[in-house]
Amino acid sequence: AQTVTQSQPEMSVQEAETVTLSCTYDTSESNYYLFWYKQPPSRQMILVIRQEAYKQQNATENRFSVNFQKAAKSFSLKISDSQLGDTAMYFCAFMRGGADGLTFGKGTHLIIQP
Amino acid sequence: GAGVSQSPSNKVTEKGKDVELRCDPISGHTALYWYRQSLGQGLEFLIYFQGNSAPDKSGLPSDRFSAERTGGSVSTLTIQRTQQEDSAVYLCASRGTGLNSPLHFGNGTRLTVT
Repeated sequence: AQTVTQSQPEMSVQEAETVTLSCTYDTSESNYYLFWYKQPPSRQMILVIRQEAYKQQNATENRFSVNFQKAAKSFSLKISDSQLGDTAMYFCAFMRGGADGLTFGKGTHLIIQP
Repeated sequence: GAGVSQSPSNKVTEKGKDVELRCDPISGHTALYWYRQSLGQGLEFLIYFQGNSAPDKSGLPSDRFSAERTGGSVSTLTIQRTQQEDSAVYLCASRGTGLNSPLHFGNGTRLTVT
């Protein structure tokens, strides 16, 4: 079974700062995918970024980037130039290769202060 | 195009009553998932439908929980004889056929059992 651990229940930074959210996972699979989802107060789960385990290059999406360390089973999310709208719960998730569901961490509540 | 639609948005019910939660997935998505999110917790997998295959029910917490997916599209999650510990947000997600296709979530149904 896979487990996903997010060790930071809550983080708070000032607007425009850079913040890094940590995530570690445990699996014996070799083919898998990793995701970060954002959940604002509207409850909508929004995909932020995804990473294929077989790719060495870290994924980036505008202000969002990941630091994927496969050997260490670490998948952190970096948000640059943080904005007030980034305030939300952030969930790290793991998916085995193939048609399968996601295993989620417990989430990190990120607060961006004006 | 339309996203995943869930109804009702909120449901308050008395302990012991049955409830039905509905999910309309994205058209053409063959995979459908139900998750439960309790206050301050991550997402707990409940059940997974893939095409015409038998559903993966391994996450259902008790025999009071059941789900159907009619015609490979709309799904209904039924909770019988509701208990207070069933209070949570129930999230539905659907997924396309690509191997690394992400899950697309609805806005969830907030269930409150009084």
